[in-house]
Amino acid sequence: EAQVTQNPRYLITVTGKKLTVTCSQNMNHEYMSWYRQDPGLGLRQIYYSMNVEVTDKGDVPEGYKVSRKEKRNFPLILESPSPNQTSLYFCASSLSYPVDEQYFGPGTRLTVT
Amino acid sequence: GQQLNQSPQSMFIQEGEDVSMNCTSSSIFNTWLWYKQDPGEGPVLLIALYKAGELTSNGRLTAQFGTTRKDSFLNISASIPSDVGIYFCAGQLKNSPDDKIIFGKGTRLHILP
Repeated sequence: EAQVTQNPRYLITVTGKKLTVTCSQNMNHEYMSWYRQDPGLGLRQIYYSMNVEVTDKGDVPEGYKVSRKEKRNFPLILESPSPNQTSLYFCASSLSYPVDEQYFGPGTRLTVT
Repeated sequence: GQQLNQSPQSMFIQEGEDVSMNCTSSSIFNTWLWYKQDPGEGPVLLIALYKAGELTSNGRLTAQFGTTRKDSFLNISASIPSDVGIYFCAGQLKNSPDDKIIFGKGTRLHILP
């Protein structure tokens, strides 16, 4: 089944404790992206990647890192999480460009205390 | 950054009613996309529009790419309970690189029993 998977689905952590949210897609898509969703703010792009070893900042990249060592995986790294990073995070992928249909993962709800 | 103005923010309607929502911007767009997010899940693409004036249907859903290229509309006819969710517009700006799109803040649709 074609899908985007994220892990974990739920995470509660403390300020400053490094964490990684994994994202994997099995559709051989070139484009992958991370979004955060906050009430009243919609979806905001954090980082995106056009292909392996090619990443770029989205609209809200501060406090986040990403890597794209393999085509299928695009982990999101929070080196020192802070409470303002409490949010619902979505990973997405599309064949080549984001104007192609983006397939979204199920979401990761992160709480930083 | 550039924003899309999506309205209304939320809607409360009776089952069977028609629904209309729209997105506007002060900038010209090349592409408009409409996504739906069911509760607890990631967004799913409903309709993609690539030409000014284009009118596209997907079942009871109809979307249009405004002739000015600065707006788009989504209509849902004869709403049913499974239409509940958040509807997002997204678009690619005329002069943006191929790898950048932005999302509206969403329209939350509620259907009254």
